[in-house]
Amino acid sequence: EVQLVESGGGLIQPGGSLRLSCAASGFTVSSNYMSWVRQAPGKGLEWVSVIYSGGSTYYADSVKGRFTISRDNSKNTLYLQMNSLRAEDTAVYYCARFRLQLWLRSGWFDPWGQGTLVTVSS
Amino acid sequence: SSELTQDPAVSVALGQTVRITCQGDSLRSYYASWYQQKPGQAPVLVIYGKNNRPSGIPDRFSGSSSGNTASLTITGAQAEDEADYYCNSRDSSGNHRGVFGGGTKLTVL
Repeated sequence: EVQLVESGGGLIQPGGSLRLSCAASGFTVSSNYMSWVRQAPGKGLEWVSVIYSGGSTYYADSVKGRFTISRDNSKNTLYLQMNSLRAEDTAVYYCARFRLQLWLRSGWFDPWGQGTLVTVSS
Repeated sequence: SSELTQDPAVSVALGQTVRITCQGDSLRSYYASWYQQKPGQAPVLVIYGKNNRPSGIPDRFSGSSSGNTASLTITGAQAEDEADYYCNSRDSSGNHRGVFGGGTKLTVL
């Protein structure tokens, strides 16, 4: 079964750091594109970051320079290192596999993890 | 533009057909994917590509696209379809970023 399980969320003070983990089973993280998507309380989905199978990484402007996406191939796990956290980073963070088929002009997220809540507050 | 626009709320009578739309410049060159999210749950993919349903998604869900508008149609809406629906596309500016619509709350009456 293809599955993603996030962990690492919690309460953190503004300016602090946190690392989220996303353990994958049923497929190989390093052979796929992997993303983080977040959802602030009561709000919509916001794309955060992607790492391609080749290692290229891309970020939303709102987190660029503060967040780093990475993976550990030996653990089949995706990470999101979050530094200089702000109140507006408070959200449920989801990891998801991103499938991209440019020749079909298509991309989609499947599966998704259950999410982990990050609360930035003093 | 990297924005996708959705109506905040739509309602449909039980058993009737409803269309949820998503507008954005990137949709002229890239198909939208659609996600269903129920309260307290993670999003679930319901439509991707030109009009593809993942395994387990009922065939009452379908997708279409014209110009800068993508549509998700539910033919014969059921009570369990009441949820938030989000469209997603790739930023057409070539910066490899993704973008989501603001979401549509579907109420089944």
